[in-house]
Amino acid sequence: KNQVEQSPQSLIILEGKNCTLQCNYTVSPFSNLRWYKQDTGRGPVSLTIMTFSENTKSNGRYTATLDADTKQSSLHITASQLSDSASYICVVGAGFSGGYNKLIFGAGTRLAVHP
Amino acid sequence: EAQVTQNPRYLITVTGKKLTVTCSQNMNHEYMSWYRQDPGLGLRQIYYSMNVEVTDKGDVPEGYKVSRKEKRNFPLILESPSPNQTSLYFCASSLSARSFDSSYNEQFFGPGTRLTVL
Repeated sequence: KNQVEQSPQSLIILEGKNCTLQCNYTVSPFSNLRWYKQDTGRGPVSLTIMTFSENTKSNGRYTATLDADTKQSSLHITASQLSDSASYICVVGAGFSGGYNKLIFGAGTRLAVHP
Repeated sequence: EAQVTQNPRYLITVTGKKLTVTCSQNMNHEYMSWYRQDPGLGLRQIYYSMNVEVTDKGDVPEGYKVSRKEKRNFPLILESPSPNQTSLYFCASSLSARSFDSSYNEQFFGPGTRLTVL
């Protein structure tokens, strides 16, 4: 069964600190992996996207890594800001016949950055 | 501005009263999809559409209907809403859902519709 599991479920850090969020997946066949940021009450917004051949991708203070062998990804946030408070969702694309890319969503990690 | 819009943003209704949530995108995207989001669960796909007049069931289609008569619009219809359909609903679109180019299937989400069925 295709699954995406994220940890921790929630996290509280102080402003200025770094943090790392984890994503483990059992999705086959693997197509790509995305990290989304979802502010409370709003739609998710894409942060990074990686294919099988990519093992790191950065977007400002956000750096995502991918280990396709162990089927793990992480999202590292550097020098956190209050505006980083949000849910972070790991989404894995499963590529099926005909090229259709079905997305499997993780439940998300809720991050709170405190002053 | 490129965007996905949903209406209404908030809706409180009663069991059995038919309702429609509209979704529109101005990016000429082929692929559109509806999701529901419930506390503690990830986004779950209700229905999706690969193109005009092409729709298919997602993971949780029971109790919902969709149509895709125009490329830009993808309404979600609840013929007889029930309390277990109380949820936060998101519409999303992408250029395509084909896996050969990941940039083509990045999904853009609408702002969400919070539905309460009493």
